[in-house]
Amino acid sequence: EAGVVQSPRYKIIEKKQPVAFWCNPISGHNTLYWYLQNLGQGPELLIRYENEEAVDDSQLPKDRFSAERLKGVDSTLKIQPAELGDSAVYLCASSLGGTGGEEQYFGPGTRLTVT
Amino acid sequence: AQKVTQAQTEISVVEKEDVTLDCVYETRDTTYYLFWYKQPPSGELVFLIRRNSFDEQNEISGRYSWNFQKSTSSFNFTITASQVVDSAVYFCALLRGSSNTGKLIFGQGTTLQVKP
Repeated sequence: EAGVVQSPRYKIIEKKQPVAFWCNPISGHNTLYWYLQNLGQGPELLIRYENEEAVDDSQLPKDRFSAERLKGVDSTLKIQPAELGDSAVYLCASSLGGTGGEEQYFGPGTRLTVT
Repeated sequence: AQKVTQAQTEISVVEKEDVTLDCVYETRDTTYYLFWYKQPPSGELVFLIRRNSFDEQNEISGRYSWNFQKSTSSFNFTITASQVVDSAVYFCALLRGSSNTGKLIFGQGTTLQVKP
């Protein structure tokens, strides 16, 4: 069974440019998460989707970050415009959803460098 | 407030040594879940174990074992006879059960280096 797929794996952009990350969760997983991981830190949740609905986006900086999961499967996270402080790894995860407390499975992440 | 503390930033051992990674958590919830994840240099977080707050039974899986003690709010992870392939960053994480936010709260991670 395929795991969580993310692309691109690496992205280098100049500040003020837009950038987008894509995630395809494990087949059948209804819940999708985007996490931000700064160097030397644990991941922090940005947004959680239950199917198409964003049920927790309290940690998402909405002035520059946006996300969508239009058909309840794959998802895109966008930053516009990027700032130097956005340099980090962006992780996507998925879980079956519905029961609570289930394990989340992570993709390899996208390492963003803003210059 | 929910919090996970991994006081050990880096640990270095020689292959075949046993090593214990500490995890202390804070929560006021009666229902919660604890996890350990491994993050090798490739970057992908690999799920290792999940424990719910009502199950304090220790678990062993091959060379890995976990000790969950609610009295001390700890969920420690021991690797027996460590191997070079165990070198990675290990994260302990807490998930609230009552409100089902789905938000994993991670510790800062412990970098384990196993030398041949």
